[in-house]
Amino acid sequence: QVQLVQSGSELKKPGASVKVSCKASGYTFSSYAMNWVRQAPGQGLEWMGWINTNTGDPTYAQGFTGRFVFSLDTSVNTAYLQISSLKAEDTAVYFCARVMTTVNNNDYWGQGTLVAVSS
Amino acid sequence: QSALTQPASVSGSPGQSITISCTGTSSDFGGYNSVSWYQQHPGKAPKLLIYDVSNRPSGVSNRFSASKSGNTASLTISGLQAEDEADYYCCSYTSSATLVIFGGGTKLTVL
Repeated sequence: QVQLVQSGSELKKPGASVKVSCKASGYTFSSYAMNWVRQAPGQGLEWMGWINTNTGDPTYAQGFTGRFVFSLDTSVNTAYLQISSLKAEDTAVYFCARVMTTVNNNDYWGQGTLVAVSS
Repeated sequence: QSALTQPASVSGSPGQSITISCTGTSSDFGGYNSVSWYQQHPGKAPKLLIYDVSNRPSGVSNRFSASKSGNTASLTISGLQAEDEADYYCCSYTSSATLVIFGGGTKLTVL
């Protein structure tokens, strides 16, 4: 069965970096793109962008350029989200989600990773 | 680009039907028939209910249906059950630089 398993919660200080992993299983990793979605505490869902798991090419949404990097390790069927120069407003749950057809259609989601940024 | 507009909350009694609207601009919907709907219970990951305007993934109850007319998409839940109490989000594939836009979310309360 298809599963996306994300890494555990992180507590970081402002200015630090964090790398969230999303390990896929149960399907051919390179056949489906991967989205990243952010949800700040008590807020709605926000699309961060997607990565082509075939080519490794990332596409970032407005507001997620510069400090945010999507990457892959296809040898272990894992997608990564790295955030640098963390700010308090980066505190959120970050989800990876498999793209089904167009990038707004996400049929499988990771369980989410809480990244908390506090001094 | 602002989020798609959804009512903040809706409510209904068990057995009733409710409809959640999702309104945007023409560029928000991009001329594509690609609107999806997600259900999210507290502390859980979103679950895909509807894709490409009105299609249900395998395993999703036929109590969930959706449609789109012009710049408004709608999700209808019939035969409300207690387990339907959750947040619901619409999501569109756009023709703007931001390819994907979510609605602000609607909290459904089953009375």
